[in-house]
Amino acid sequence: NAGVTQTPKFQVLKTGQSMTLQCAQDMNHNSMYWYRQDPGMGLRLIYYSASEGTTDKGEVPNGYNVSRLNKREFSLRLESAAPSQTSVYFCASVDSSYQPQHFGDGTRLSIL
Amino acid sequence: RKEVEQDPGPFNVPEGATVAFNCTYSNSASQSFFWYRQDCRKEPKLLMSVYSSGNEDGRFTAQLNRASQYISLLIRDSKLSDSATYLCVVNGAGGFKTIFGAGTRLFVKA
Repeated sequence: NAGVTQTPKFQVLKTGQSMTLQCAQDMNHNSMYWYRQDPGMGLRLIYYSASEGTTDKGEVPNGYNVSRLNKREFSLRLESAAPSQTSVYFCASVDSSYQPQHFGDGTRLSIL
Repeated sequence: RKEVEQDPGPFNVPEGATVAFNCTYSNSASQSFFWYRQDCRKEPKLLMSVYSSGNEDGRFTAQLNRASQYISLLIRDSKLSDSATYLCVVNGAGGFKTIFGAGTRLFVKA
């Protein structure tokens, strides 16, 4: 049971580089989410996808784009990385809005 | 006012102690409620759902008071392994908005 799988687990980028974070879930969940968590802080929603084919902005979408490639996969792209985007990124999925979300184990991203 | 507010913590307790976490939420139409646990630098993991009638799982008891818009988590007989951050989570009404509290850090000491 893989659940939610994120790749890569660690990445170091230089300012201005681009990168795509991958997320895949095998639970046939409808909704998927991207969060960031800065040291000592809570989770902040970047983007979410309520269902295949739809995406919506969360609390902190600036500097990011997303693609819901199919029901299983939801990617997060940084077009021009900035040091302020250094963070841990978590992907989550859920079947319905009344259920708890399941998280991947995160991508630790450092931007120099 | 934040949509979900938790005790700021941290809580420092000895092994065997009982500790209570409190959480309030602002949207009276919220539909479902959860407690998550997050270990340092790890992903949040579901600890338990919170039901209107209250529910218990071993040493853990969760309560919901819809009238007061208040959720609680009680941990009895604390273990060293309970040291973590506890997140209160509220799902909004009719949509896909899930609000995570900032979390309360618990340190259980020998």
